[in-house]
Amino acid sequence: GAGVSQSPSNKVTEKGKDVELRCDPISGHTALYWYRQSLGQGLEFLIYFQGNSAPDKSGLPSDRFSAERTGGSVSTLTIQRTQQEDSAVYLCASSLASGSGQRAFFGQGTRLTVV
Amino acid sequence: RKEVEQDPGPFNVPEGATVAFNCTYSNSASQSFFWYRQDCRKEPKLLMSVYSSGNEDGRFTAQLNRASQYISLLIRDSKLSDSATYLCVVIPMEYGNKLVFGAGTILRVKS
Repeated sequence: GAGVSQSPSNKVTEKGKDVELRCDPISGHTALYWYRQSLGQGLEFLIYFQGNSAPDKSGLPSDRFSAERTGGSVSTLTIQRTQQEDSAVYLCASSLASGSGQRAFFGQGTRLTVV
Repeated sequence: RKEVEQDPGPFNVPEGATVAFNCTYSNSASQSFFWYRQDCRKEPKLLMSVYSSGNEDGRFTAQLNRASQYISLLIRDSKLSDSATYLCVVIPMEYGNKLVFGAGTILRVKS
């Protein structure tokens, strides 16, 4: 597809379960970002992948959160032992890597509800 | 101090009004700047990049003031459909760095 694709669009999970969220970036985009947004709040940075460089994981809130990006394309965000405070919309974005061309485009997000 | 700061608003304006938002950033080495808009329960969408010389796209004008470390967005002839949250975005370094978002400014255009 032409845009960033995220799946699932909605996920309801029980507290303590693990979840995996998927992001398919725009073809050719080497940078990929994960953010989360709680209701009525701003975007919180989680992790950033740039080509083959080591990812910037500085925004991950705890060691229950991890992400990988396979083959420089698809990314998976994994949350282990989910907690109610993990409930949020998880947004993925991708961009080209170079300077002012680094306009990022977002997927529609995964709405995660932990019950 | 936050890396990117915006007045949360809300800005309540009548249709046809001109409205302006500012956004300040703390990293003087910041190289790239953007405005996004976000509608309720939707993902952010790129509105426009902000160039050093300022740039215009229809009713929207963006400007950068490096000396004072702020960017601005001016909306002329506001439409009801302009109602949204406007997010200021800064990339601190020129190559390969994360997007830093402001918390957003809420605009409500009323008939």
